[in-house]
Parts: sequence; structure tokens; C-alpha cells
Amino acid sequence: EIVLTQSPGTLSLSPGERATLSCRASQTISSSYLAWYQQRPGQSPRLLIYGASSRASGIPDRFSGSGSGTDFTLTISRLEPEDFAVYYCQQYGSSPTFGQGTKVEIK
Amino acid sequence: QVQLQESGPGLVKPSETLSLICTVSGDSITGYHWSWIRQPPGKGLEWIGNIYSNGNTNYNPSLKSRVTISVDTSKKQFSLKLSSVTAADTAVYYCARVVPSRAYYCSGDGCYSSSWFDPWGQGILVTVSS
Repeated sequence: EIVLTQSPGTLSLSPGERATLSCRASQTISSSYLAWYQQRPGQSPRLLIYGASSRASGIPDRFSGSGSGTDFTLTISRLEPEDFAVYYCQQYGSSPTFGQGTKVEIK
Repeated sequence: QVQLQESGPGLVKPSETLSLICTVSGDSITGYHWSWIRQPPGKGLEWIGNIYSNGNTNYNPSLKSRVTISVDTSKKQFSLKLSSVTAADTAVYYCARVVPSRAYYCSGDGCYSSSWFDPWGQGILVTVSS
């Protein structure tokens, strides 16, 4: 099983700031088979990024994904009020697994 | 636009079988792969298993002995059964569509299509308690 470790656990930032979230895999994820999701309180997860760097339909361009191998990053260039949420990475290069999540909270 | 809706009992007794249904609307159920994912209260996400467009299934190894996923195309529904539940199975259960992709992986019992999940249902809280 590929274990995904997300860091930091919590990120305290102000609106307008840049957020950088990390997802590290316990082994190489083939072909950058990694996705990112946003989960707001009381809602189901929403797909943001797939293939490590492709934005899903309707996702603002302030969200970007990068990385390969074992290290992946989700960047939110300028935080909007609605971006304060929990973010999960998920790999699909083997039996699907998720990271434990990073909470982006208002500072 | 495809929409998914989970339904079923919100309370299940320990040692019994949890049974949920996901109803698909706005698109065909055939030709796609479908998935169940769960989230214990205040915790992260855990993939439970997939059912593929050909009817084959693939389960999380940690749950495999207790899980059955099936599909009823005439009703545009797929279902989850989880047997011998304990309090550790208390969670919000989500159904989701597996987006078609080129990804696949091979394990001891075969090779399986794999992908990201989109969209998700709203989720249903199932509590295991006597």
C-alpha cells in the first residue's frame, strides 16, 4: 500500500496569501497518478487536480498542482474566503489511498 | 450532469451488515466504473472498493473479506454491503464515479483500472451502535 503523508497538518494564513501544501508518497507514484480534493465543512470532497497538475473543470486558476515521483505540491496562489477548507491528496497508481489531509484555516 | 445520492439506514447494530444504495441520475450508469469511499467522523478518507462497467469488483485489501459491491443497471443503482460491522465502521459513506483514465495497477489477484473520483454523492452517516 502506498502511504501518503500530507504536511503541514494545519496551515494558518490570511486571505490573499499564498498556500503551499505538500503530499509525500512512501514509494514512487507511477505516471504522476495523483489527485487533490477540497472538502469544506459539512460537504463532500470536490475534485481540484488530477494527473498531478491538470485542473478539473470549473476550478479557478489560482489552484495549481505540481510534482512527480514521491513529492507533490498543491499551491493556492491567493487565498479567497471560500478556500479555507481541508485538502486531501489521493494516489491511483496502485490500490487507491488518500493522505490524512491539510486544514487551511484563517489566521 | 451526473448526480449521486446515497441512501440506507443511519444506524446499524454491531455484528450486523451495513447496506447502502447509491442512485445515479443525470447520466447513464452503464459504461462507467463506480466507487464507495468512507470517512470516520473527524478523520480522513478511506477507499472501500470499485465496481467496474463489466461487473468486476476490486476492494480495499483491509476490508475485502467483509465487502460486497454490486450494481443494478435497471434501477441505475449500485450498492454496498459491509458485514460484521463494529464501532470502527462508523463513518460517512460516499459513493462516487471513477473517472475514466489510462491508469491501472496489478495485484496478486488481477489488474484493475484506477483513477480519481468525480463527482461524489453528498454522503450518508452510518453509526454502528447497539
